[in-house]
Amino acid sequence: GENVEQHPSTLSVQEGDSAVIKCTYSDSASNYFPWYKQELGKGPQLIIDIRSNVGEKKDQRIAVTLNKTAKHFSLHITETQPEDSAVYFCAPGSGGYQKVTFGTGTKLQVIP
Amino acid sequence: SQTIHQWPATLVQPVGSPLSLECTVEGTSNPNLYWYRQAAGRGLQLLFYSVGIGQISSEVPQNLSASRPQDRQFILSSKKLLLSDSGFYLCAGRQLKSNSPLHFGNGTRLTVT
Repeated sequence: GENVEQHPSTLSVQEGDSAVIKCTYSDSASNYFPWYKQELGKGPQLIIDIRSNVGEKKDQRIAVTLNKTAKHFSLHITETQPEDSAVYFCAPGSGGYQKVTFGTGTKLQVIP
Repeated sequence: SQTIHQWPATLVQPVGSPLSLECTVEGTSNPNLYWYRQAAGRGLQLLFYSVGIGQISSEVPQNLSASRPQDRQFILSSKKLLLSDSGFYLCAGRQLKSNSPLHFGNGTRLTVT
């Protein structure tokens, strides 16, 4: 099965600074790389994803970069705001994958 | 778009009592369905997943079970709850097409006393 690790487990940044979270996976067949955001008391929600034929994708203040050779992908949040405070999860997988394994999660705190 | 409905939002049950949590899906047909549990401040533990009616895969040995009586209905059950069953239970669905994301419900917070 897929082994998925996230680093760091917790991250505190000043408002306006950037945050980067890294996800490392083991299955070389993985070709789908999503990031989810979970706010307190709610279910996770997809915020950005990338397919393996693309190295980077950006959506306003968030971006995802992929290094398939090294088997890791990263979430980048620029100009952080207090509402970015949440737990972030990665969940890499291959097309049509049934069992979905999440990373260990990263708790991001943005300090006003 | 796909919507996952879960209820109840919170539940307090005594040790040894039965459990039934229901999840229904709107907006897609023949989805893959998942039950996850999350302990306080921890990650998402996959409990069960289903690729079709009556098809259940169990990931963790426990006193919980799951059933899928209809295409868009997924039920998590227990005959006798343990204190260790306390947690935040999340149902999720995913379209069968390749590389599609999970959509989660709002979860049920279960406290076993």
